[in-house]
Amino acid sequence: GQQLNQSPQSMFIQEGEDVSMNCTSSSIFNTWLWYKQDPGEGPVLLIALYKAGELTSNGRLTAQFGITRKDSFLNISASIPSDVGIYFCAGINSGGSNYKLTFGKGTLLTVNP
Amino acid sequence: DSGVTQTPKHLITATGQRVTLRCSPRSGDLSVYWYQQSLDQGLQFLIQYYNGEERAKGNILERFSAQQFPDLHSELNLSSLELGDSALYFCASSVEAGRNYYSGNTIYFGEGSWLTVV
Repeated sequence: GQQLNQSPQSMFIQEGEDVSMNCTSSSIFNTWLWYKQDPGEGPVLLIALYKAGELTSNGRLTAQFGITRKDSFLNISASIPSDVGIYFCAGINSGGSNYKLTFGKGTLLTVNP
Repeated sequence: DSGVTQTPKHLITATGQRVTLRCSPRSGDLSVYWYQQSLDQGLQFLIQYYNGEERAKGNILERFSAQQFPDLHSELNLSSLELGDSALYFCASSVEAGRNYYSGNTIYFGEGSWLTVV
């Protein structure tokens, strides 16, 4: 089945630093979604990308849908302690009547105050 | 608050038992998805319903079943429970089934139901 390779698996950074994480796939996706999950909570949608090449920002977050439609990245600028959590990328492929949402394994972000 | 409501939030049950998890999608959303999240498997897509009909099936075991009712709420039934079924089960919803992405079809998650099988 489709696989999403998300990297890095974990990051430990200082408050104020910028963060970058990405997802790559061998398959094409129609949509890329980025979620953040806090312990014991459900994933919360951060950014949704619908077109190849699209660059979208949400506050300190910026994400891009790769031109090849096989990758996406998420950047967080000027990190703060509440950015701590697990970040997931997810790709949607809706070929024909079939629909599939695939998640990456997640990036665990730790921010040191 | 995503607008997706799941109950119960926590559930402890014994092996061999059967449980039902319930999900109310966001107002106006026709599509409901179920996911399982465990430490070793990550987030796994189980099944999707759209306006009462099954739309897509993922890694859902035969012991599990789901349905979406006319009022659009959904239930996930887990039977003959095993220790390995212990996980966090998420429901998510979206407006569309997934085809018309350029209209902005995004997926919102509930807070999950923690299932512990002992």
